[in-house]
Amino acid sequence: DAGITQSPRHKVTETGTPVTLRCHQTENHRYMYWYRQDPGHGLRLIHYSYGVKDTDKGEVSDGYSVSRSKTEDFLLTLESATSSQTSVYFCAISKGDNEKLFFGSGTQLSVL
Amino acid sequence: DQQVKQNSPSLSVQEGRISILNCDYTNSMFDYFLWYKKYPAEGPTFLISISSIKDKNEDGRFTVFLNKSAKHLSLHIVPSQPGDSAVYFCAASATGTYKYIFGTGTRLKVLA
Repeated sequence: DAGITQSPRHKVTETGTPVTLRCHQTENHRYMYWYRQDPGHGLRLIHYSYGVKDTDKGEVSDGYSVSRSKTEDFLLTLESATSSQTSVYFCAISKGDNEKLFFGSGTQLSVL
Repeated sequence: DQQVKQNSPSLSVQEGRISILNCDYTNSMFDYFLWYKKYPAEGPTFLISISSIKDKNEDGRFTVFLNKSAKHLSLHIVPSQPGDSAVYFCAASATGTYKYIFGTGTRLKVLA
C-alpha cells in the first residue's frame, strides 16, 4: 500500500468553524490531490498540488484552501465550514503525468 | 458540466458471468484513462488504465476497451466474482494538466 495517511479519520464540527484536514505521504511523490465523494456526484477534485508551494484549483474549490509547505504534507482548510461541506474527503498522490493515483483511506467530515 | 459520465448507477450480474461497466467522456483532450474500485469505508484502489494510443488493455480478469471516436470506454470483468461487488469509478486525464476527473461511479453487485 502507498504510504498515505489522512488525519483525522472522522470529524464532527459546527457550521462556521474552521477545519483543517491533513494528508501525509511517505512516497516522495510530486503530485497531491484532494477529492470529495458525495452520493450522485462521485469523486470531485477540490484542489491539487504539483510541487511545494505550487497548487491549483479543481472542480469544486469554492470554500476551500490548501497549502503545501513540504513535499510530504498537503493540508485542506475549510475557513468557515458549512453543512454542504459534509462529505468524505480523500487525499491522493501521483508520481507524475499519466501515472495512476494512490488514495488515502479518507476523512469523514460532518458539519452540523 | 460533467466531463466524465457513468450513466448506469448500478449493475447486477450473476457470479461467473461477464460484467460490463461503461464510461463516456466529452473532452477530446483526455488521453489517459483509469478505472478504480471502491469498497465502503475505504479509499479507491487502482484497477487498470489505458492510454489513448491503445484501444485495449488486459490485466487478468479485467479488460478495458477504448473507443476514441465515440469517446467511450468500458471495463469488462470476466468471470465476475462476489468479491468484485463494489463501486467502480472511471477517470480521465489530459497530458500536461495533471488533473484526473472522475465519473459518478457504478455500483456493481455480483450475485452468488
